[in-house]
Amino acid sequence: GNSVTQMEGPVTLSEEAFLTINCTYTATGYPSLFWYVQYPGEGLQLLLKATKADDKGSNKGFEATYRKETTSFHLEKGSVQVSDSAVYFCALRGSARQLTFGSGTQLTVLP
Amino acid sequence: DAGITQSPRHKVTETGTPVTLRCHQTENHRYMYWYRQDPGHGLRLIHYSYGVKDTDKGEVSDGYSVSRSKTEDFLLTLESATSSQTSVYFCAISDTGGADEQYFGPGTRLTVT
Repeated sequence: GNSVTQMEGPVTLSEEAFLTINCTYTATGYPSLFWYVQYPGEGLQLLLKATKADDKGSNKGFEATYRKETTSFHLEKGSVQVSDSAVYFCALRGSARQLTFGSGTQLTVLP
Repeated sequence: DAGITQSPRHKVTETGTPVTLRCHQTENHRYMYWYRQDPGHGLRLIHYSYGVKDTDKGEVSDGYSVSRSKTEDFLLTLESATSSQTSVYFCAISDTGGADEQYFGPGTRLTVT
C-alpha cells in the first residue's frame, strides 16, 4: 500500500534560517504529492502540491520538487519566520484518490 | 476559507456511550471525509462519502459508522466509545476526487474516559 515517511521532529530553528523537511513516499503508479500545514488550534491547510514528476510546487516562500527517481518531495524555505511555526504534513494521493499522510513534523522558529 | 464547521468542538464522554460528531459544509462539495489525528500517526482516514447515501470505509473504520442524508452534512458515530478513540477528529471536503485539494474543518477534540 501507499505510505509516506517524514523526518522526525521537532525541528527548532532561528529566524531567517534555512529549512528542509524531508519526505519520501512509497506508492504504485503516479501519485500526486502535497504539503499541508497545521497552525496551532486549527485544521490543515494546503501549502503546495505537485501532480507529476519534476513539478515544483511553491507557495509563501516554500518549495518542494516531485522527484520520482528518489521518491521524494522535500519541503524547503530559504528564510523562515516566527509565523512559520506549525506542524507540516507530507501527503500523497494515489489511484484510490485517498490521501495518505506522513506523521507530521513540528517546526518551531525562534526570534 | 471553505465553509466547513464541526460540532461539537470539544467533548468528554464515558466509555461505552454512543457519540455523534457532525460536519457541515456550505460549499456543495461532493466528497466528504472523516480523519482522526493522533501523535506519531499523522491523519488517518476513517470513512469517506462520494455522494448522498454513498459512503466507504477508510484505513481505520472499525468502531465507527457514518451517514450522509444530504449534501451538506456528514455524521460520524462512535457506536460504543472506547478510550482508544480519544483523538482529534477532522472533517474534510473536496469538489472532486481527482487533483483538487481537500479543505479541512477546525477539528473536534474527543476524550473518552
